Amino acid sequence: DGGITQSPKYLFRKEGQNVTLSCEQNLNHDAMYWYRQDPGQGLRLIYYSQIVNDFQKGDIAEGYSVSREKKESFPLTVTSAQKNPTAFYLCASNGQGTMNTQYFGPGTRLTVL
Amino acid sequence: QQQVKQSPQSLIVQKGGISIINCAYENTAFDYFPWYQQFPGKGPALLIAIRPDVSEKKEGRFTISFNKSAKQFSLHIMDSQPGDSATYFCAASRDNQGGKLIFGQGTELSVKP
Repeated sequence: DGGITQSPKYLFRKEGQNVTLSCEQNLNHDAMYWYRQDPGQGLRLIYYSQIVNDFQKGDIAEGYSVSREKKESFPLTVTSAQKNPTAFYLCASNGQGTMNTQYFGPGTRLTVL
Repeated sequence: QQQVKQSPQSLIVQKGGISIINCAYENTAFDYFPWYQQFPGKGPALLIAIRPDVSEKKEGRFTISFNKSAKQFSLHIMDSQPGDSATYFCAASRDNQGGKLIFGQGTELSVKP
């Protein structure tokens, strides 16, 4: 099955710890995105990557870091510098010829204890 | 202006009724307008999308109406069903920005039986 997978589905971390969220796609898409979703605030772009070994900051990149070493993978690290990390994190991808359609993964819910 | 403004924030409709969600944008360079549907705890999924060269697009019970001069577009759900209860997001993008979407704030739709 083609698609986007995110793991884990639920993640708990203690304050002051870094944590890495996984995102993998087998759609052969060039572009990948990370969003944060909070209740009533819609989707806010954290980072995006349009090609391997290159990525750009989105609207709320502070306290987050990413890497894009492989086309299929775009992991997101939530660092201890992120002041309010509890949220639902969504990964998406899109490829050429898809009319800018982004396909989303199932999400990871991060809770800081 | 990069914002997309969506209204209402929440909507309650009786089964069989018409649900209408509106979005407005400022940037006339936007040329792709998708709507996404999201069920609780899941990632958003593309519902329907439109380009500004047409004023309306229909797919089953879902219709996008597009008013280029007013810089507004709306989603109409005909014969609304309880299974349509979800959060709906409008979005906009420009082709030359590599698929980067600007999302509205979301509308939580509840269809009562």
